[in-house]
Amino acid sequence: GQQVMQIPQYQHVQEGEDFTTYCNSSTTLSNIQWYKQRPGGHPVFLIQLVKSGEVKKQKRLTFQFGEAKKNSSLHITATQTTDVGTYFCAGSEAAGNNRKLIWGLGTSLAVNP
Amino acid sequence: DGGITQSPKYLFRKEGQNVTLSCEQNLNHDAMYWYRQDPGQGLRLIYYSQIVNDFQKGDIAEGYSVSREKKESFPLTVTSAQKNPTAFYLCASSYGGSSYEQYFGPGTRLTVT
Repeated sequence: GQQVMQIPQYQHVQEGEDFTTYCNSSTTLSNIQWYKQRPGGHPVFLIQLVKSGEVKKQKRLTFQFGEAKKNSSLHITATQTTDVGTYFCAGSEAAGNNRKLIWGLGTSLAVNP
Repeated sequence: DGGITQSPKYLFRKEGQNVTLSCEQNLNHDAMYWYRQDPGQGLRLIYYSQIVNDFQKGDIAEGYSVSREKKESFPLTVTSAQKNPTAFYLCASSYGGSSYEQYFGPGTRLTVT
């Protein structure tokens, strides 16, 4: 079945450093979504990318969707302690039933103040 | 306030007992989902429903059952047949299929001893 691989599994940075997490799918995706889960909390939707090569920005966060719609990345510039949490990508198969998302295992980000 | 509620937040049960987790939404969403989250495992889909009185198995449905008698409600029963029921259970809803963002409830942490 389709898989979405997410790397790295963990990342520990100093406050002010940049951070990037990557998602790679074994098949073409129709869309990809990104979520953030704070420790002890629930996932919260950040953004959805739909178009090939799409780039979207939310303040210090930059999201990209690859040209082949098989990979995506989330980049955080100048991390802050409020960025701590686990970031998940979730995609929908282009040739699938479009009813459910395929989730990556997440990247846990720790930020040293 | 609109949103998804899950109750209780913490639940303790003895092995061999069935337990039902509540999920209610007032967002007028058609689709609802149940996920299980274990440390390092990401989100795994248990069951999902696109419409009242209809639901489909996800990736790990064995030992679980659901019902969707009302649009607002999607309760999950963890049966005694589930071999490793201790986990964090998350309910989510969305307007439709995988092209829509999912809204998550706060989760129920189930411990079975």
